[in-house]
Amino acid sequence: GENVEQHPSTLSVQEGDSAVIKCTYSDSASNYFPWYKQELGKRPQLIIDIRSNVGEKKDQRIAVTLNKTAKHFSLHITETQPEDSAVYFCAAIINAGNMLTFGGGTRLMVKP
Amino acid sequence: DAGITQSPRHKVTETGTPVTLRCHQTENHRYMYWYRQDPGHGLRLIHYSYGVKDTDKGEVSDGYSVSRSKTEDFLLTLESATSSQTSVYFCAITDRPNTEAFFGQGTRLTVV
Repeated sequence: GENVEQHPSTLSVQEGDSAVIKCTYSDSASNYFPWYKQELGKRPQLIIDIRSNVGEKKDQRIAVTLNKTAKHFSLHITETQPEDSAVYFCAAIINAGNMLTFGGGTRLMVKP
Repeated sequence: DAGITQSPRHKVTETGTPVTLRCHQTENHRYMYWYRQDPGHGLRLIHYSYGVKDTDKGEVSDGYSVSRSKTEDFLLTLESATSSQTSVYFCAITDRPNTEAFFGQGTRLTVV
């Protein structure tokens, strides 16, 4: 949605390379920023999230960074593998903390 | 997987007919969301609920209504289906907006 913008819409990388997906949001009151992964034909599932009181969070090969001043956050995937191929969505809570709003999604393709 | 089910999983209906999609949860979560997923648009919020009989509009609510008469069920109704409402519909639940949201399996709706 327009409250959360996500880029790029598609991303193709070679296996082993890094991938970065970026999102911006409009509501300065937002304080929770999750990332979801959706494999083909499946439901979205949470892979990592970050709250506004931290600037970076890591979980093995994935990391998320947050810049509250600039109102943007990013997902970093290192040492990409073919099983990382999926659609990734960023999200933010807007409207007084009730609405979970998603970006437009990024289709990541990891080529073997 | 969290206890959340959508019904029906697939439906084909004619333009102008009413359609109701059901989301049922067994997690006693307070928040429930309806999204539609279309190519190039990601997950767009239609309506959401923050408690029994408490609902609010999302970013693409025109042509849709919802009801939540008990904690476990959140119904999405298309009063008069149009071809533009052909989409995959996802329900999601969460205990609080700033925690992990769990998605249903999705409902593929085709309006002919």
